[in-house]
This record gives sequence, structure tokens and C-alpha cells, in this order.
Amino acid sequence: EPEVTQTPSHQVTQMGQEVILRCVPISNHLYFYWYRQILGQKVEFLVSFYNNEISEKSEIFDDQFSVERPDGSNFTLKIRSTKLEDSAMYFCASRDRSFQETQYFGPGTRLLVL
Amino acid sequence: GENVEQHPSTLSVQEGDSAVIKCTYSDSASNYFPWYKQELGKRPQLIIDIRSNVGEKKDQRIAVTLNKTAKHFSLHITETQPEDSAVYFCAAKTSSNTGKLIFGQGTTLQVKP
Repeated sequence: EPEVTQTPSHQVTQMGQEVILRCVPISNHLYFYWYRQILGQKVEFLVSFYNNEISEKSEIFDDQFSVERPDGSNFTLKIRSTKLEDSAMYFCASRDRSFQETQYFGPGTRLLVL
Repeated sequence: GENVEQHPSTLSVQEGDSAVIKCTYSDSASNYFPWYKQELGKRPQLIIDIRSNVGEKKDQRIAVTLNKTAKHFSLHITETQPEDSAVYFCAAKTSSNTGKLIFGQGTTLQVKP
């Protein structure tokens, strides 16, 4: 069964550094999402992406964040200058056609900012 | 704003007992409500979902009920087994056409053998 994949599984970085989190959504999916989960807290929506552009973003998704689909398979989340509070698990998710509502989650990238 | 409240935060049951987790949502236009199970260190896995045009859905030991008037929905697990132990998240798809999900705070379910 196809699955969403994410790399790396863990990332440790220094405050102020840039990080890029990578995701490969399920191949025929059209809608892509990034969520984050701070340790012990709920999963929070960051951004949705469709037709090569951001369709919605949350208040968390400020100018330090960006997303890109550089080719036909990868979907990336970049944090330009990481802060301590960016430490969290970041999940990518993808969805099929507009009337198929199920979102499939990747295994996550655990980001630790020191 | 858009919000989903989930209760209880922790739930401990004996194997074989039933477990019920409840969620309320704020956006009356929400029309899709999935439940995810997350085992430690793993991805959230969809276990059941319900759309606003039905009031109940069942899949073996798992059922979900929806009360649109009261804006709440519940997960029912019967004949619980130790492997049901995990964190369960409810979510609601908002009225925006992007399909984003708003999640509840999660319930840690422990099933004691």
C-alpha cells in the first residue's frame, strides 16, 4: 500500500540555522499539508498546498516558513532561521481528489532546535 | 475561531471493557470527522471517519457517532485489547475548501491486561 514518506526522521540544528524537511506524498495525490506536533500537544495545521501554490496557512506559518514542490514528487518545508520553539514533530500529509477527504500522514520528522 | 475539544485526556480501562472518547467542534459547517490512532513515535493512522450526512458508522469493534445539532462526535471502542493502547485524536475538517483538519488534544488510552 502506498505511503507518505519523510526525511530525515530526526534533525538536530542550532538556533538560527535553516532546515529543510522533505516529504514524498502518495503519487497520485493532489493536496498536500504540513502539520506540527509539539511534544505532548495536539497536532496543529501549518499549511496546505494545491496546484503548486499555498491554499491556506495558519498563524504559525510566518515569513520564516516556506513550502515548495520542486519536482513531481517531493514536497518540502523550509524554516529559514530556526527558533527554540520550532522544536516539534513535523508531519506531512497528502490527499487524493477533492471529494476524497482522507488525509494520509507521513512518519514525521522530529526537529530539535538547540 | 476553529476549535476541537477532546475529552478525556487520559483513559484507563480493563481489557474487554468499552472505551468512549468525546469531541466537540466549533465550526458548524464542518462536514468530515476522522479519528486517528497514534502509537508512540509513529504516524497518526486513520481508524474511522464519519461525514455529516450520517449519524453513526461502525467498523468491527470501533464506532463513531455524530450529533450535528450539539456539534459533538464520539469514538466507541468495544471489547478493548492491549493493542488498542495508544493516543487517539479526533479531528474536524473545516469549512474552508482546503480540507485542513483541526485536531483535538488527544486521549491517551491504556488498556490493562
